[in-house]
Amino acid sequence: AQSVAQPEDQVNVAEGNPLTVKCTYSVSGNPYLFWYVQYPNRGLQFLLKYITGDNLVKGSYGFEAEFNKSQTSFHLKKPSALVSDSALYFCAVRPRSNDYKLSFGAGTTVTVRA
Amino acid sequence: DVKVTQSSRYLVKRTGEKVFLECVQDMDHENMFWYRQDPGLGLRLIYFSYDVKMKEKGDIPEGYSVSREKKERFSLILESASTNQTSMYLCASRVQGGSGNIQYFGAGTRLSVL
Repeated sequence: AQSVAQPEDQVNVAEGNPLTVKCTYSVSGNPYLFWYVQYPNRGLQFLLKYITGDNLVKGSYGFEAEFNKSQTSFHLKKPSALVSDSALYFCAVRPRSNDYKLSFGAGTTVTVRA
Repeated sequence: DVKVTQSSRYLVKRTGEKVFLECVQDMDHENMFWYRQDPGLGLRLIYFSYDVKMKEKGDIPEGYSVSREKKERFSLILESASTNQTSMYLCASRVQGGSGNIQYFGAGTRLSVL
């Protein structure tokens, strides 16, 4: 069975400070890893993904994520948060053995205060 | 840009009604998915379709059925709506195959069953 854990329901940061949203996973083999963002009353938007290669992945809107195989983690980061980054963030994992099964974490609500 | 359109943003139905949620994508994607999103639970897969007239159960198919008669359209059907089906429903589509192909999401349909 595969699972994704986002240990923090909420993350609050001041604008200009670094932002980190944590994600750990449990899946056999080397999975594909994704981050999505959801703004209020909108669908999910793709931010970035890890397939293979460099452990540091860069994505949209200045976000990046670091894949750590030994800790089975894929934390999302942004060096300097903006108020407009306030949203709901989802980590997702898909095993290489199943092309259709994308499992999502429960989500982390990020609030960036001015 | 990929566009996934869900026909209704908000729906209010009564217990026992048959409910149709429609999703259309304009990118000739083979795969389409229906999820429901609930607070604290993230997204859970209801059904998916890897091609026209093909369907597979996801993690929570009970009480739902789907139809895919044309490649661009994927319908979710609640045969007899119940209050525990009150939720946000998200449709997604994706190109078949390829490593780490991302899913593109619609804006969602918020369904209330009274």
